[in-house]
Amino acid sequence: GENVEQHPSTLSVQEGDSAVIKCTYSDSASNYFPWYKQELGKGPQLIIDIRSNVGEKKDQRIAVTLNKTAKHFSLHITETQPEDSAVYFCAGAGYSTLTFGKGTMLLVSP
Amino acid sequence: GAGVSQTPSNKVTEKGKYVELRCDPISGHTALYWYRQSLGQGPEFLIYFQGTGAADDSGLPNDRFFAVRPEGSVSTLKIQRTERGDSAVYLCASSPSGQREAFFGQGTRLTVV
Repeated sequence: GENVEQHPSTLSVQEGDSAVIKCTYSDSASNYFPWYKQELGKGPQLIIDIRSNVGEKKDQRIAVTLNKTAKHFSLHITETQPEDSAVYFCAGAGYSTLTFGKGTMLLVSP
Repeated sequence: GAGVSQTPSNKVTEKGKYVELRCDPISGHTALYWYRQSLGQGPEFLIYFQGTGAADDSGLPNDRFFAVRPEGSVSTLKIQRTERGDSAVYLCASSPSGQREAFFGQGTRLTVV
């Protein structure tokens, strides 16, 4: 089955800096890669996703890149704000179900 | 409602007891998923429904776990003879037919004492 590795496990940045979280996947059949943000006590919230026929996607301060050959994808957050502080999860999916990474705790200091 | 609703939000039960966790998906979503999340980990897949049928139940850890979705909307996750190791947050997600964007509920925190 699919295996998704996520790095780093924790990331501390100053407000206004950029943050990058990286994931690798094992199953070449996976073709859908969402990113979720989870705040304490809440369920994961879908923030952006990318499909395998696209190399990059951007939504305001958030962007995701995908390298199918290397089987890795990354989340980029620019101009970070304190409210970006949360745990971020990457995931990969082939047919239907998502396999998640272990998460990255992002802390943005004012 | 506007989002996926899970009840109860918290459940404390004694070891050996039976529990039911409920999920109300987003109206019109035909796909429904159950995941389990342990502290400090990502969600782990349990079971996936397309309509009323379980399309993939390969993530259920053992036969103490069972889930139903009799009318293709609300789903119930059932755990028999609960064990302390079942303690976790149980997450439900739904998705429109033909797409894979999954929208999660807030979860049910199950504690087995």
